Amino acid sequence: GQNIDQPTEMTATEGAIVQINCTYQTSGFNGLFWYQQHAGEAPTFLSYNVLDGLEEKGRFSSFLSRSKGYSYLLLKELQMKDSASYLCAVITTDSGNTPLVFGKGTRLSVIA
Amino acid sequence: ETGVTQSPTHLIKTRGQQVTLRCSSQSGHNTVSWYQQALGQGPQFIFQYYREEENGRGNFPPRFSGLQFPNYSSELNVNALELDDSALYLCASSLGLAGVGNEQFFGPGTRLTVL
Repeated sequence: GQNIDQPTEMTATEGAIVQINCTYQTSGFNGLFWYQQHAGEAPTFLSYNVLDGLEEKGRFSSFLSRSKGYSYLLLKELQMKDSASYLCAVITTDSGNTPLVFGKGTRLSVIA
Repeated sequence: ETGVTQSPTHLIKTRGQQVTLRCSSQSGHNTVSWYQQALGQGPQFIFQYYREEENGRGNFPPRFSGLQFPNYSSELNVNALELDDSALYLCASSLGLAGVGNEQFFGPGTRLTVL
């Protein structure tokens, strides 16, 4: 089966750094996405990793270890507007059925 | 460049009824995927349409069906509505199949409530 685990909720302080972890067990692997979703809105793309290592994009970075089935999203210099749910999604190789499997999301609250 | 749009924004139906949700893909995109997102959960893949053909389906019963039109817009139809069908329905478009790493752009969603 397909299984993606993320913490349900996290709280961090404005200006701080937070790391949101994602572990996955899926039928094959073709890449991993991170999305941000504000309450009541559509998910928006943050990052895509297919090779091991760190991808940096401004205040956001994403890391992948394929051998460990593990990824994390790192948010630096947190701002109040970063309060949202963060979704980890894995592209499986089961392309005939469920190509993109989402975790349940991590709700991040940024406090002053 | 026009983004992904969905209609209607909100919808209230009763058990047993049928519903049609609509999605216009982003300009130039030929693939549309539909997801169901229950409150507090991640999106669950329903199915994907590529060049008017279904290409991949998640674990949803046959009463969930869809169409893609020549202009790549799409419809999601749900028959015999059940209470558990209450959710946010998201449409995402991409240039090419989602399963090969193409970035998906999501629409604002349709909030369906089944009473």
